[in-house]
Amino acid sequence: NAGVTQTPKFRVLKTGQSMTLLCAQDMNHEYMYWYRQDPGMGLRLIHYSVGEGTTAKGEVPDGYNVSRLKKQNFLLGLESAAPSQTSVYFCASIPRGVRNQPQHFGDGTRLSIL
Amino acid sequence: GENVEQHPSTLSVQEGDSAVIKCTYSDSASNYFPWYKQELGKGPQLIIDIRSNVGEKKDQRIAVTLNKTAKHFSLHITETQPEDSAVYFCAAPPYSSASKIIFGSGTRLSIRP
Repeated sequence: NAGVTQTPKFRVLKTGQSMTLLCAQDMNHEYMYWYRQDPGMGLRLIHYSVGEGTTAKGEVPDGYNVSRLKKQNFLLGLESAAPSQTSVYFCASIPRGVRNQPQHFGDGTRLSIL
Repeated sequence: GENVEQHPSTLSVQEGDSAVIKCTYSDSASNYFPWYKQELGKGPQLIIDIRSNVGEKKDQRIAVTLNKTAKHFSLHITETQPEDSAVYFCAAPPYSSASKIIFGSGTRLSIRP
């Protein structure tokens, strides 16, 4: 099993460009998450999904959109990239609920906005 | 809402010595406390977790202790080795939500040879 796979691994964008980050998991997990990681700030939740066709806002959702059309995929979109969105983005998944089981993370997408 | 504070932000120890990282949480009803290790260029991976019905859990050189009264939990690494160098995150889910988890800000651990 591949676990959680993120595509692409690296990307450089110009301000105003758009792009989509893909997260795919092969563990049949219900819940999926998108985080951003900035120096000294840990992991901050952008959006999450508790099932196919459902999404919800996290701590820092502004400037991002998401879609969960298939259970195994969770897409993160930047419609008009800004330098403040330069970060490392991590996707995670979990079977169901966070109260007694850990999240499984991908290896991240490093995004630079010039 | 739930808040998780982690200290220290950086920690440097001599190889073979012990390292301790501490986290405090605000939601007294939180009942699950995982610790993640993040190596350079990788995503976080679970190394140990503890549930609120126990006070301590060990796995070889790694242990986690939980003090529910004081609302803090700590990661202990004994006989540190170079491969322990990484960023460590604690986390706690607010009891009010079964969907989200709050992460600490991370501790960068360096092992000096």
